[in-house]
Amino acid sequence: SYELTQPLSVSVALGQTARITCGGNNIGSKNVHWYQQKPGQAPVLVIYRDSNRPSGIPERFSGSNSGNTATLTISRAQAGDEADYYCQVWDSSTDVVFGGGTKLTVL
Amino acid sequence: QVQLQESGPGLVKPSQTLSLTCTVSGGSISSGSYYWSWIRQPAGKGLEWIGRIYTSGSTNYNPSLKSRVTISVDTSKNQFSLKLSSVTAADTAVYYCASTPYDILTPGDWFDPWGQGTLVTVSS
Repeated sequence: SYELTQPLSVSVALGQTARITCGGNNIGSKNVHWYQQKPGQAPVLVIYRDSNRPSGIPERFSGSNSGNTATLTISRAQAGDEADYYCQVWDSSTDVVFGGGTKLTVL
Repeated sequence: QVQLQESGPGLVKPSQTLSLTCTVSGGSISSGSYYWSWIRQPAGKGLEWIGRIYTSGSTNYNPSLKSRVTISVDTSKNQFSLKLSSVTAADTAVYYCASTPYDILTPGDWFDPWGQGTLVTVSS
């Protein structure tokens, strides 16, 4: 079965750039989607198909995907960006797969 | 954009069947534009996809839950439902419904929007 690996936690200084990775075998060949989840709330889509932002998501959020790693980049990190972030792909054999999630802390 | 709202009992006894409904507003569940999914999240843990249904009634389930899951659609009520049988404490979680844009080539594309989620506790 297909698996996605995320770091448990990432820290970033206020105003700096945070990068959250999502590892998977040849993930570059798949479409990767990213969700932000704040405590007590439902996940919110922040990036779809590797690098596309839904309407209403700030330009500070961007994504890339190549080889065995996809990356969510949050520029000029704000206190309001503190949340759990999940990557997700569809695999033809496994169907929907979520990464384990990364807790982003803004220092 | 459509909006989704989960409803159902918050407490289910072990060995019984968990039943939840997701009501779709702001659009027709019969439009053919979306897949409709259930996803769950145990407290403090990650997201687990349970399964999806299309307007036609076609379903796909997570293999780890397939033997216990049934997802159905009621187009007259603009709702889709989840039934999970023989529940145990391990099924205690927040259950979300969510939609995925229809694409026959990639049925597991992104989820947007999500319902607010409903907590289901399995306990006697």
